[in-house]
Amino acid sequence: RKEVEQDPGPFNVPEGATVAFNCTYSNSASQSFFWYRQDCRKEPKLLMSVYSSGNEDGRFTAQLNRASQYISLLIRDSKLSDSATYLCVVNGGGTYKYIFGTGTRLKVLA
Amino acid sequence: GAGVSQTPSNKVTEKGKYVELRCDPISGHTALYWYRQSLGQGPEFLIYFQGTGAADDSGLPNDRFFAVRPEGSVSTLKIQRTERGDSAVYLCASSPGPTGNTIYFGEGSWLTVV
Repeated sequence: RKEVEQDPGPFNVPEGATVAFNCTYSNSASQSFFWYRQDCRKEPKLLMSVYSSGNEDGRFTAQLNRASQYISLLIRDSKLSDSATYLCVVNGGGTYKYIFGTGTRLKVLA
Repeated sequence: GAGVSQTPSNKVTEKGKYVELRCDPISGHTALYWYRQSLGQGPEFLIYFQGTGAADDSGLPNDRFFAVRPEGSVSTLKIQRTERGDSAVYLCASSPGPTGNTIYFGEGSWLTVV
């Protein structure tokens, strides 16, 4: 089983739609969680950290479920500019590795 | 500089040659990471430095790969006897400290082995 798993997609959604991605992780001791965004042929950039209580940044909401070992990202009112690959990142408990999922591709259609 | 700087941005080399990829992290960042990313995949962890020492090199695929950070700032990833399967983008990232911090990536070094 991979340490961090994501549905690779692609998710094709119309502008204005709400879309959600899930990511599961295998290390129950993991402490830090992030979502990164990666545009084609660009480096990954931080979208948001994921906190235990859940957090929101504008149209983006991230949640953590420790019991089921998954994190989620919700994007409301999708924009064309949201088209990208979204990478789930987990820092293993007691280690310094940041482990990335394979990414989920999102295409927002006009 | 303001961000993580990587050189070269592109490198084409012949199979069997030696390659060095350089990373200059954000000033003051003590943690430095190397990742490798192939098409359609997420970044794959290679090695992590805290200061000058390699705290975790468990991701290096074999002994052809080696990385150093002699003064705790700039790092060099060295690949000996390159193979076509080494072709990928090599990403360097840095963060202010070891755990729980955001990591910031450079633009990557695109390596093609022909």
